[in-house]
Amino acid sequence: SQTIHQWPATLVQPVGSPLSLECTVEGTSNPNLYWYRQAAGRGLQLLFYSIGIDQISSEVPQNLSASRPQDRQFILSSKKLLLSDSGFYLCAWSPSNSYEQYFGPGTRLTVT
Amino acid sequence: AQSVAQPEDQVNVAEGNPLTVKCTYSVSGNPYLFWYVQYPNRGLQFLLKYITGDNLVKGSYGFEAEFNKSQTSFHLKKPSALVSDSALYFCAVRNTGSGGSYIPTFGRGTSLIVHP
Repeated sequence: SQTIHQWPATLVQPVGSPLSLECTVEGTSNPNLYWYRQAAGRGLQLLFYSIGIDQISSEVPQNLSASRPQDRQFILSSKKLLLSDSGFYLCAWSPSNSYEQYFGPGTRLTVT
Repeated sequence: AQSVAQPEDQVNVAEGNPLTVKCTYSVSGNPYLFWYVQYPNRGLQFLLKYITGDNLVKGSYGFEAEFNKSQTSFHLKKPSALVSDSALYFCAVRNTGSGGSYIPTFGRGTSLIVHP
């Protein structure tokens, strides 16, 4: 069966510090991968999606970037965090031949 | 462009009563429709989907949803609510195209509260 991992689960970082969040998927190959942010409240904001290694599309211009160095690894990064980067970050995957998404457990980021 | 509306921020229901969480959508062409549930501080869990076929779709935990093309709706239902159903519910839509259009659009979510 397929599983998706995210780490860390929680993170507290000062403004201006760098960020690296990692997501890995097991049990499948060539998945579509996604990064979302969920601010306080509820709405999901799509940040990045990827249909293959080094094929990444950005949905919202901001100080975040994403990379996919391996087929089942998706990394969200920032060089300098802003207060507004605080939120709940969710990674998701979907099979390339299916429709629904499967979400990881999330990372709670607090920028102080 | 595609969009999803969940008109209710919160739905309250007594345990044992039927529940409905509403969703309407707008998409060019035929839709793929989804429901997800999110418990506090957790990721979203897939509940069910409509791709084609029967308008009534059955999913996990006793939930079902009815696709109504004329009303562009996909309401989530359960005959008898449980306190453990209390969570945040998201409806999502994507069109049946390829390429970047496979990205789904999510609604803002509806908080379901089931009272004992």
